[in-house]
Amino acid sequence: QVQLQESGPGLVKPSETLSLTCTVSGGSISGYYWNWIRQPPGKGLEWIGYIHYSGSTNYNPSLKSRVTISVDTSTSQFSLRLSSVTAADTAVYYCARISGSPNKGFDYWGQGTLITVSS
Amino acid sequence: DIVMTQSPDSLAVSLGERATINCKSRQSVLYSSNNKNYLAWYQQKPGQPPKLLFYWASTRESGVPDRFSGSGSGTDFTLTISSLQAEDVAVYYCQQYYSTPYTFGQGTKLEIK
Repeated sequence: QVQLQESGPGLVKPSETLSLTCTVSGGSISGYYWNWIRQPPGKGLEWIGYIHYSGSTNYNPSLKSRVTISVDTSTSQFSLRLSSVTAADTAVYYCARISGSPNKGFDYWGQGTLITVSS
Repeated sequence: DIVMTQSPDSLAVSLGERATINCKSRQSVLYSSNNKNYLAWYQQKPGQPPKLLFYWASTRESGVPDRFSGSGSGTDFTLTISSLQAEDVAVYYCQQYYSTPYTFGQGTKLEIK
């Protein structure tokens, strides 16, 4: 059973860079697209972007100027960096997998980690 | 971006009754080369990540009870629960994966009447 686990600081100061890591276990990181999705408290879901295991990326244009997603296949981890954060970036951040064939959408999700932006 | 709009925003249904949630996309999510709608439905319970219920609009994910059904094509989609159970209380989201940026509906909160 594939499992994803987010890890990160929990609290980030305004204007600083948020850094999160997702560790994939129970399955291979190869062959899939790995995503970050966020959900502000009490609100809906926003796709941030994905990285293919090969390293190619695709970001949401609304965040593109501030987002970097990277992958380390040797450790089965992928990471998110979001720069110049503000209170509007406070959210639960999820990592998720896009299924292979058939393309089902997001078939596996991490439990999520709450990131609060505050001084 | 493909805007996804769900209706209603919230819904209260009696146990054992039918619940229907609608989702409309601003443009078609039907991929002509394989005749598949790139539309998924998720269920999210408090404190949990979303759980995939349906993909390709109507293909039930493994383990999802058959009281749940998905239908629709092109721009109009429906999630139906034929006989509401207490454990179905959740927020339901539709999502298009036809093109990036992937987008979600705003969610429909389903409660017991």
